[in-house]
Amino acid sequence: DAGVTQSPTHLIKTRGQQVTLRCSPKSGHDTVSWYQQALGQGPQFIFQYYEEEERQRGNFPDRFSGHQYPNYSSELNVNALLLGDSALYLCASSPSGTGDYGYTFGSGTRLTVV
Amino acid sequence: KQEVTQIPAALSVPEGENLVLNCSFTDSAIYNLQWFRQDPGKGLTSLLLIQSSQREQTSGRLNASLDKSSGRSTLYIAASQPGDSATYLCAALRSNDYKLSFGAGTTVTVRA
Repeated sequence: DAGVTQSPTHLIKTRGQQVTLRCSPKSGHDTVSWYQQALGQGPQFIFQYYEEEERQRGNFPDRFSGHQYPNYSSELNVNALLLGDSALYLCASSPSGTGDYGYTFGSGTRLTVV
Repeated sequence: KQEVTQIPAALSVPEGENLVLNCSFTDSAIYNLQWFRQDPGKGLTSLLLIQSSQREQTSGRLNASLDKSSGRSTLYIAASQPGDSATYLCAALRSNDYKLSFGAGTTVTVRA
Protein backbone atom coordinates (compact mmCIF):
# COMPACT_ATOMS: atom_id res chain seq x y z
CA ASP A 1 0.00 0.00 0.00
CA ALA A 2 1.72 3.15 -1.22
CA GLY A 3 1.91 5.97 1.23
CA VAL A 4 2.02 9.64 0.31
CA THR A 5 4.02 10.20 -2.89
CA GLN A 6 5.67 13.51 -3.72
CA SER A 7 7.47 14.63 -6.85
CA PRO A 8 10.05 15.74 -7.66
CA THR A 9 12.36 14.88 -4.77
CA HIS A 10 14.75 17.74 -5.47
CA LEU A 11 14.45 20.93 -7.47
CA ILE A 12 16.68 23.92 -8.16
CA LYS A 13 15.07 27.12 -9.41
CA THR A 14 16.20 30.66 -10.08
CA ARG A 15 14.81 33.61 -8.16
CA GLY A 16 11.68 34.97 -9.88
CA GLN A 17 10.73 31.67 -11.50
CA GLN A 18 7.62 29.62 -10.81
CA VAL A 19 7.51 26.04 -9.49
CA THR A 20 4.90 23.27 -9.22
CA LEU A 21 5.17 20.47 -6.68
CA ARG A 22 2.97 17.40 -6.81
CA CYS A 23 1.46 15.06 -4.22
CA SER A 24 -0.52 11.83 -4.38
CA PRO A 25 -2.23 11.02 -1.08
CA LYS A 26 -2.27 7.66 0.61
CA SER A 27 -4.92 5.29 -0.71
CA GLY A 28 -8.23 5.98 1.01
CA HIS A 29 -7.29 9.53 2.02
CA ASP A 30 -9.24 12.47 0.62
CA THR A 31 -7.60 15.44 2.36
CA VAL A 32 -4.24 16.95 1.47
CA SER A 33 -2.23 19.51 3.43
CA TRP A 34 0.99 21.26 2.49
CA TYR A 35 3.75 22.32 4.88
CA GLN A 36 7.00 24.24 4.50
CA GLN A 37 9.97 23.24 6.64
CA ALA A 38 13.00 25.51 6.82
CA LEU A 39 16.29 24.05 8.01
CA GLY A 40 16.29 23.41 11.74
CA GLN A 41 12.65 24.35 12.22
CA GLY A 42 9.35 22.55 12.52
CA PRO A 43 7.01 22.40 9.52
CA GLN A 44 4.75 25.40 8.96
CA PHE A 45 1.21 24.94 7.60
CA ILE A 46 0.61 26.41 4.13
CA PHE A 47 -2.93 25.24 3.31
CA GLN A 48 -5.27 22.26 3.21
CA TYR A 49 -7.46 20.96 0.39
CA TYR A 50 -10.64 18.95 0.83
CA GLU A 51 -13.25 18.22 -1.82
CA GLU A 52 -11.16 20.18 -4.33
CA GLU A 53 -11.38 23.39 -2.31
CA GLU A 54 -8.92 25.22 -0.10
CA ARG A 55 -10.36 24.76 3.36
CA GLN A 56 -7.79 26.50 5.54
CA ARG A 57 -4.73 28.62 4.90
CA GLY A 58 -1.71 29.50 7.00
CA ASN A 59 0.28 32.74 7.00
CA PHE A 60 1.67 32.49 3.50
CA PRO A 61 1.39 35.09 0.71
CA ASP A 62 -0.77 34.68 -2.36
CA ARG A 63 2.32 33.61 -4.29
CA PHE A 64 1.56 30.21 -2.81
CA SER A 65 -1.43 28.57 -4.42
CA GLY A 66 -2.70 25.06 -4.84
CA HIS A 67 -5.12 22.73 -6.44
CA GLN A 68 -6.77 19.41 -5.69
CA TYR A 69 -8.00 17.08 -8.42
CA PRO A 70 -11.01 14.72 -8.35
CA ASN A 71 -8.66 11.80 -7.65
CA TYR A 72 -7.52 13.72 -4.50
CA SER A 73 -4.00 14.39 -5.80
CA SER A 74 -2.76 17.91 -5.26
CA GLU A 75 -0.33 20.52 -6.55
CA LEU A 76 1.46 23.35 -4.79
CA ASN A 77 2.42 26.30 -6.98
CA VAL A 78 4.82 29.03 -5.94
CA ASN A 79 5.21 32.12 -8.13
CA ALA A 80 7.95 34.75 -8.18
CA LEU A 81 10.32 32.60 -6.15
CA LEU A 82 12.43 34.24 -3.45
CA LEU A 83 15.63 32.95 -1.91
CA GLY A 84 13.66 32.54 1.34
CA ASP A 85 11.38 29.99 -0.33
CA SER A 86 14.23 27.47 -0.20
CA ALA A 87 12.93 24.71 2.08
CA LEU A 88 11.63 21.16 2.32
CA TYR A 89 7.99 21.07 1.19
CA LEU A 90 5.96 18.32 2.80
CA CYS A 91 2.60 16.96 1.77
CA ALA A 92 0.36 15.23 4.29
CA SER A 93 -2.86 13.33 3.76
CA SER A 94 -5.65 12.16 6.04
CA PRO A 95 -8.91 10.26 5.65
CA SER A 96 -12.47 11.50 6.10
CA GLY A 97 -11.63 15.16 5.84
CA THR A 98 -10.53 15.46 9.45
CA GLY A 99 -7.47 14.80 11.55
CA ASP A 100 -9.19 12.12 13.65
CA TYR A 101 -6.81 9.42 12.47
CA GLY A 102 -3.70 11.54 12.26
CA TYR A 103 -1.76 12.68 9.24
CA THR A 104 0.54 10.69 6.95
CA PHE A 105 3.43 12.60 5.45
CA GLY A 106 5.40 12.12 2.27
CA SER A 107 9.18 12.25 1.87
CA GLY A 108 9.08 15.86 0.75
CA THR A 109 10.43 17.96 -2.10
CA ARG A 110 13.66 19.84 -1.43
CA LEU A 111 13.43 23.21 -3.23
CA THR A 112 16.54 25.32 -3.62
CA VAL A 113 16.19 28.85 -5.00
CA VAL A 114 19.39 30.41 -6.32
CA LYS B 1 -2.59 30.72 18.32
CA GLN B 2 -1.10 27.38 19.35
CA GLU B 3 2.58 27.50 20.36
CA VAL B 4 4.42 24.19 20.67
CA THR B 5 7.80 23.96 22.39
CA GLN B 6 10.17 21.01 22.59
CA ILE B 7 12.92 20.82 25.17
CA PRO B 8 15.75 19.95 24.94
CA ALA B 9 16.66 20.91 21.38
CA ALA B 10 19.31 18.21 21.28
CA LEU B 11 20.17 15.14 23.33
CA SER B 12 23.09 12.70 23.24
CA VAL B 13 22.95 9.43 25.20
CA PRO B 14 24.85 6.13 25.29
CA GLU B 15 23.21 3.08 23.81
CA GLY B 16 20.81 1.35 26.19
CA GLU B 17 19.77 4.45 28.07
CA ASN B 18 16.10 5.43 28.21
CA LEU B 19 15.11 8.63 26.39
CA VAL B 20 12.63 11.22 27.63
CA LEU B 21 11.50 13.88 25.15
CA ASN B 22 9.25 16.72 26.21
CA CYS B 23 6.61 18.67 24.32
CA SER B 24 4.51 21.55 25.68
CA PHE B 25 1.62 23.41 24.06
CA THR B 26 -0.13 26.63 25.04
CA ASP B 27 -3.74 25.88 24.01
CA SER B 28 -5.11 22.88 25.92
CA ALA B 29 -8.14 22.61 23.60
CA ILE B 30 -6.45 20.03 21.41
CA TYR B 31 -8.12 17.30 19.42
CA ASN B 32 -5.10 15.03 19.34
CA LEU B 33 -1.30 15.08 19.47
CA GLN B 34 1.02 13.22 17.13
CA TRP B 35 4.70 12.31 17.50
CA PHE B 36 6.86 12.03 14.40
CA ARG B 37 10.38 10.94 13.59
CA GLN B 38 12.43 12.70 10.92
CA ASP B 39 15.76 11.46 9.54
CA PRO B 40 18.10 14.09 8.03
CA GLY B 41 16.66 15.54 4.82
CA LYS B 42 13.72 13.13 4.86
CA GLY B 43 9.98 13.29 5.43
CA LEU B 44 8.07 12.62 8.65
CA THR B 45 7.26 9.15 9.94
CA SER B 46 4.35 8.95 12.35
CA LEU B 47 5.21 7.21 15.61
CA LEU B 48 2.22 7.64 17.88
CA LEU B 49 -1.13 9.43 17.84
CA ILE B 50 -2.82 10.29 21.13
CA GLN B 51 -6.44 11.40 21.11
CA SER B 52 -7.47 14.09 23.59
CA SER B 53 -9.49 11.54 25.58
CA GLN B 54 -6.44 9.29 26.06
CA ARG B 55 -3.67 9.54 28.66
CA GLU B 56 -1.08 7.48 26.79
CA GLN B 57 -0.26 5.34 23.79
CA THR B 58 2.32 2.59 23.42
CA SER B 59 4.03 0.99 20.46
CA GLY B 60 6.91 -1.37 21.11
CA ARG B 61 9.68 0.51 22.92
CA LEU B 62 7.80 3.81 22.53
CA ASN B 63 5.34 5.27 25.00
CA ALA B 64 3.76 8.70 24.81
CA SER B 65 1.75 10.39 27.54
CA LEU B 66 -0.61 13.34 27.30
CA ASP B 67 -1.66 15.77 30.04
CA LYS B 68 -4.02 18.28 28.48
CA SER B 69 -4.59 20.28 31.63
CA SER B 70 -0.90 21.09 31.97
CA GLY B 71 -0.32 21.32 28.21
CA ARG B 72 2.33 18.63 28.09
CA SER B 73 3.19 15.42 26.29
CA THR B 74 6.19 13.19 26.86
CA LEU B 75 7.70 10.59 24.55
CA TYR B 76 9.62 7.77 26.24
CA ILE B 77 11.93 5.53 24.24
CA ALA B 78 13.16 2.53 26.19
CA ALA B 79 16.58 0.94 25.77
CA SER B 80 17.77 3.32 23.06
CA GLN B 81 19.69 2.05 20.04
CA PRO B 82 21.93 3.87 17.51
CA GLY B 83 19.11 3.45 14.97
CA ASP B 84 16.96 5.71 17.16
CA SER B 85 19.18 8.66 16.23
CA ALA B 86 16.91 11.18 14.48
CA THR B 87 14.89 14.32 15.11
CA TYR B 88 11.63 13.81 16.97
CA LEU B 89 8.78 16.26 16.42
CA CYS B 90 5.49 16.65 18.23
CA ALA B 91 2.46 18.26 16.61
CA ALA B 92 -0.83 19.34 18.17
CA LEU B 93 -4.15 19.51 16.35
CA ARG B 94 -6.56 21.98 17.90
CA SER B 95 -10.25 21.25 18.14
CA ASN B 96 -12.19 22.70 15.20
CA ASP B 97 -8.95 23.21 13.30
CA TYR B 98 -7.28 21.44 10.42
CA LYS B 99 -3.64 22.40 10.75
CA LEU B 100 -0.95 20.75 12.83
CA SER B 101 1.16 23.05 15.00
CA PHE B 102 4.68 21.67 15.27
CA GLY B 103 7.49 22.10 17.72
CA ALA B 104 11.02 22.64 16.37
CA GLY B 105 11.99 19.11 17.37
CA THR B 106 14.52 17.34 19.58
CA THR B 107 17.55 15.92 17.79
CA VAL B 108 18.64 12.67 19.41
CA THR B 109 22.03 11.01 19.05
CA VAL B 110 22.49 7.53 20.50
CA ARG B 111 26.18 6.65 20.87
CA ALA B 112 27.24 3.05 20.34
